[in-house]
Amino acid sequence: SAVISQKPSRDICQRGTSLTIQCQVDSQVTMMFWYRQQPGQSLTLIATANQGSEATYESGFVIDKFPISRPNLTFSTLTVSNMSPEDSSIYLCSVVHRLNNYGYTFGSGTRLTVV
Amino acid sequence: KQEVTQIPAALSVPEGENLVLNCSFTDSAIYNLQWFRQDPGKGLTSLLLIQSSQREQTSGRLNASLDKSSGRSTLYIAASQPGDSATYLCAVLIPRMDSSYKLIFGSGTRLLVRP
Repeated sequence: SAVISQKPSRDICQRGTSLTIQCQVDSQVTMMFWYRQQPGQSLTLIATANQGSEATYESGFVIDKFPISRPNLTFSTLTVSNMSPEDSSIYLCSVVHRLNNYGYTFGSGTRLTVV
Repeated sequence: KQEVTQIPAALSVPEGENLVLNCSFTDSAIYNLQWFRQDPGKGLTSLLLIQSSQREQTSGRLNASLDKSSGRSTLYIAASQPGDSATYLCAVLIPRMDSSYKLIFGSGTRLLVRP
């Protein structure tokens, strides 16, 4: 299965600022996924990032707040914009392996605290 | 709408016990079901993946079963160890109207194995 490098692993940010999270995959993948895990909660899909097209956002998430880039088949970024304390969460990227029965692999996560 | 439920929400057992974690889902139209482990503040590690046509998968001390018709899966952990302490998440992969797919997570079972 693919290996995903995600950074930063954690950050403490001031409200009103933005943070960009990076995910690098060691193989080419068509789709990358970004998830949010709020404290004590399970994972919620933010958006699906396809190479060469705009990301597809889930209900409740908008591009202005969570802009995503996908410049090639091995890399994606998620930006959390104009942060507030409610954005404090773990953010995770993920890929799916069609040749491995559609199993998912996740990055190590970015633990974001907004103060 | 697919909903995934995990019972119990938390479990504390002495070392050496065999234990069962439960996962149920409301719509049997799934591609697969995947069990993950998450250590505090970290990303997800895939444990087992069961295709919709399969009944169970085994890896070491872990065994996962799937009964798609009844919408249930169990994760069996044999001879539990303190190192098994973590949150266990199940997730189902479902088809979407645009021919893509989405991974839906349960809320997790927080396991503590006491030495």
